[in-house]
Amino acid sequence: TQLLEQSPQFLSIQEGENLTVYCNSSSVFSSLQWYRQEPGEGPVLLVTVVTGGEVKKLKRLTFQFGDARKDSSLHITAAQTGDTGLYLCAGARIGGYQKVTFGTGTKLQVIP
Amino acid sequence: DADVTQTPRNRITKTGKRIMLECSQTKGHDRMYWYRQDPGLGLRLIYYSFDVKDINKGEISDGYSVSRQAQAKFSLSLESAIPNQTALYFCATSESLAGDGELFFGEGSRLTVL
Repeated sequence: TQLLEQSPQFLSIQEGENLTVYCNSSSVFSSLQWYRQEPGEGPVLLVTVVTGGEVKKLKRLTFQFGDARKDSSLHITAAQTGDTGLYLCAGARIGGYQKVTFGTGTKLQVIP
Repeated sequence: DADVTQTPRNRITKTGKRIMLECSQTKGHDRMYWYRQDPGLGLRLIYYSFDVKDINKGEISDGYSVSRQAQAKFSLSLESAIPNQTALYFCATSESLAGDGELFFGEGSRLTVL
């Protein structure tokens, strides 16, 4: 059973545009992480959010954890070609890494 | 050099063959994991190990086995490969037991079973 659904699954945009990626679940998570994966590489952690309603910014990327800790969003302002990659959310439930669930992934392509 | 190294990076094999994917790390972490990635399914946990004497099944362990030879080495075996085990496999490590700690991934091993 897939507990974390990401949308959209694919996104192709022009450089300079804004975009939002969503990560939704019916389960409550103690924390949620966002990873970015580039072709031929493993995922790399971007951010961890732990408090309901929390907003974190990483340069042009804004991450928000839902108030009920069931969902999260990633907003990119003025996308650049270097933002191209697969974005994965990962929700952690109490009990360590055996309780981490990865989202279905959003493949982003930024066209120059 | 990468902190988490996987070998081989690419492997094509035939149904019924035994395959071993190896992972070594220089991060000094006790906790190691094997994940499988399929398009549209994200990453799914196969096995994990919290120290050399500790091995645990993940959500999709059927058809796989692992060996933790040392703190730095964790290998994944497919005793008799089948086509639906065609996937991208990742080894990962972590320092923290808590679920909100960072996972450090290798570059992946792409396995094709014909």
